[in-house]
Amino acid sequence: GQNIDQPTEMTATEGAIVQINCTYQTSGFNGLFWYQQHAGEAPTFLSYNVLDGLEEKGRFSSFLSRSKGYSYLLLKELQMKDSASYLCAVREYYGQNFVFGPGTRLSVLP
Amino acid sequence: NAGVMQNPRHLVRRRGQEARLRCSPMKGHSHVYWYRQLPEEGLKFMVYLQKENIIDESGMPKERFSAEFPKEGPSILRIQQVVRGDSAAYFCASSPPAGEKLFFGSGTQLSVL
Repeated sequence: GQNIDQPTEMTATEGAIVQINCTYQTSGFNGLFWYQQHAGEAPTFLSYNVLDGLEEKGRFSSFLSRSKGYSYLLLKELQMKDSASYLCAVREYYGQNFVFGPGTRLSVLP
Repeated sequence: NAGVMQNPRHLVRRRGQEARLRCSPMKGHSHVYWYRQLPEEGLKFMVYLQKENIIDESGMPKERFSAEFPKEGPSILRIQQVVRGDSAAYFCASSPPAGEKLFFGSGTQLSVL
């Protein structure tokens, strides 16, 4: 089976840095994904990690440790528009379904 | 290049009626996934299809729910005899055969009265 865990809610201040953690347990692994979802909208792709290490893309970075079953999404220079849910997802094997975690609801305060 | 198209955007049904949700994947995408999302919750996997084949339906309720992805036309998620507990947002996503990520549609919000 699969188990993906994320904090339910986080709060941060505009301009700050926030790290959203994701832990997973799967029988196989073929990639970890982060998606952003604003209320009432579709999830949009943020990042993809399949090898250990840090992937940087502008203000967003994602880290993966396969041996620890752990990933984090790092958001820098927070903006009000970053208030959204952040979904961690794991694909077990090539072509298999993508399993999503419960999501972390981030609130950015002025 | 149009994205993943879902319709209708909102669907209202009375208990006992049927709901049909449609999803047209992005051009060139042959894999379709359906997810259900309740308010304040994550995406729950329902079914994964390729053209004319159901690959994984482990997340589908055993009764009243069915899905298809015919050779021609959109993928259909069908819910028979809807109940209030079926009220949710239903998202479709697609990926190419060797895709690394999912592309999501805007979802169908199903409300059962």
